[in-house]
Amino acid sequence: AAGVIQSPRHLIKEKRETATLKCYPIPRHDTVYWYQQGPGQDPQFLISFYEKMQSDKGSIPDRFSAQQFSDYHSELNMSSLELGDSALYFCASSARDRVVGEQYFGPGTRLTVT
Amino acid sequence: QQQVKQSPQSLIVQKGGISIINCAYENTAFDYFPWYQQFPGKGPALLIAIRPDVSEKKEGRFTISFNKSAKQFSLHIMDSQPGDSATYFCAASKYNDMRFGAGTRLTVKP
Repeated sequence: AAGVIQSPRHLIKEKRETATLKCYPIPRHDTVYWYQQGPGQDPQFLISFYEKMQSDKGSIPDRFSAQQFSDYHSELNMSSLELGDSALYFCASSARDRVVGEQYFGPGTRLTVT
Repeated sequence: QQQVKQSPQSLIVQKGGISIINCAYENTAFDYFPWYQQFPGKGPALLIAIRPDVSEKKEGRFTISFNKSAKQFSLHIMDSQPGDSATYFCAASKYNDMRFGAGTRLTVKP
């Protein structure tokens, strides 16, 4: 079965640079979520989109922005990167007409800020 | 503040034993309680989930027990295997707002 696709899988950036992470949800899934997971931490919800509109906002820094496109893929844009932004970034997707709350996670993007 | 409290933080079980991980929540609005399994460097994988109108759900070696009045739920892994060694996260959600527990690192010794 098709899963959530994330790219790139690994990314190394320097402080103050920008980064763009991409997420391709499971086909026919209309909701996308972004999470940040630090070492030894649980995933922290950043932001979600439903039908290309932002639906929920969590602990996303103002330096970050995201959007969902007409083909339902989503991009997380991160600017003025800080050392503390180094983490695993996961995208998850779900289908609102299916089990509410059932989120499927991608393999993640490991961002390292040096 | 962790809205879902998970324990223990780490757990070591012998092969063939039962692994038990517990979670508690405060917000009675939560209506969906999944468990995720995560291997190092991988994304969390949905393992099993339950809704509050059911007290128990079993899928293979994995069972969720749910106590609505106590606002607690637990994951039981029967006949634990070394391949089960991973970090397990409980979660609770309302609509699509999901909150995770802090995770339990399970090690199953051969």
